[in-house]
Amino acid sequence: EPEVTQTPSHQVTQMGQEVILRCVPISNHLYFYWYRQILGQKVEFLVSFYNNEISEKSEIFDDQFSVERPDGSNFTLKIRSTKLEDSAMYFCASSRKTGTARKSCSFGPGTRLTVT
Amino acid sequence: GENVEQHPSTLSVQEGDSAVIKCTYSDSASNYFPWYKQELGKGPQLIIDIRSNVGEKKDQRIAVTLNKTAKHFSLHITETQPEDSAVYFCAASPWGDKIIFGKGTRLHILP
Repeated sequence: EPEVTQTPSHQVTQMGQEVILRCVPISNHLYFYWYRQILGQKVEFLVSFYNNEISEKSEIFDDQFSVERPDGSNFTLKIRSTKLEDSAMYFCASSRKTGTARKSCSFGPGTRLTVT
Repeated sequence: GENVEQHPSTLSVQEGDSAVIKCTYSDSASNYFPWYKQELGKGPQLIIDIRSNVGEKKDQRIAVTLNKTAKHFSLHITETQPEDSAVYFCAASPWGDKIIFGKGTRLHILP
């Protein structure tokens, strides 16, 4: 069964550095998402992406964050200048459905980001 | 905005017994309620979902119920097996793309 893949599995970076987290969604999927989970806290929505543009974003997704689908297969999350509080597990997800069913998404295994 | 509360945070049940996880939500506009299972080192995996026009849904050993009036929904796992041990998340979704997650329940199946 096709799966969402994410690289790297663990990224360690220094505060103030830029990081790019990479995801390969399932190939015929149309909606793409990023979620994050700070250790011990809830999984939180960051952003959704459809038809090559941001569909919706949360208040967490400020100017330090950006997303891109550069080549039709990869979906990336960039954090421009990382802060300690960006340390979290970042999950990519995708869905091939539209309408309400688009929320039935498949999650990747996550990238653990550690900012020191 | 929507807030989802989940109980208990940890649940231990004897293999073969049933497990029940309960959630509440705050936004009456929520119309989609997925449940996810997360195993160690993996992302959340959708195991079942229910929409607000349905009160109950069953898939083999898993069932979900939804009480819109009380804003409660719950997951029932019957005849539990060792492979059911995982963290389970309930979630709710009002308008838009986002899913609001509960804090998770760590389920231990005891031999």
